[in-house]
Amino acid sequence: GAVVSQHPSWVICKSGTSVKIECRSLDFQATTMFWYRQFPKQSLMLMATSNEGSKATYEQGVEKDKFLINHASLTLSTLTVTSAHPEDSSFYICSASGGQGMRGYTFGSGTRLTVV
Amino acid sequence: DAKTTQPPSMDCAEGRAANLPCNHSTISGNEYVYWYRQIHSQGPQYIIHGLKNNETNEMASLIITEDRKSSTLILPHATLRDTAVYYCIVRVGGSQGNLIFGKGTKLSVKP
Repeated sequence: GAVVSQHPSWVICKSGTSVKIECRSLDFQATTMFWYRQFPKQSLMLMATSNEGSKATYEQGVEKDKFLINHASLTLSTLTVTSAHPEDSSFYICSASGGQGMRGYTFGSGTRLTVV
Repeated sequence: DAKTTQPPSMDCAEGRAANLPCNHSTISGNEYVYWYRQIHSQGPQYIIHGLKNNETNEMASLIITEDRKSSTLILPHATLRDTAVYYCIVRVGGSQGNLIFGKGTKLSVKP
């Protein structure tokens, strides 16, 4: 149980375009979802926290107008990287809470974004 | 959440036990010790968590010192597939608040 599906697993886009990444909780309702970014050989950095039906809370230094987060339902959150640039190339990972009790959170498999 | 300190890397021979240490000297009474691991280019995977007592599950054992200032994750019979970055995180238990990842320990299991 407690499976989180993240799609796509990888994407290549042109500079200036937007990319949407989906994160779905398959067998539980995710009251809270988290988005992380991970650069090569570095740890995960929390970008934002989203609760269903409300605006996301962004970490310091993360541009909310560039990284649009929508958590419209209890099973789906999306991250849209707008006007992507090569420096946005990274590994994006979502996690969700709501069905794991004391275990904490379940993570998606991640999305490798490459902006060319 | 309390800060944790882990060695940056460790090696382990296949089939032997891997013992991964973590220091968390500022842990408070209501904070649990969580362990996750991340295999290359995948999302983190939950391993185990504990508060005071030692814990064991199908993946690993967690040994917490009596003063709770440090802990050790034990993989009893490491395999090549256990090669990953292991993160020790201290936080209030359950799904409350976010998970803050440190740099973790890169475990390399060698044949």
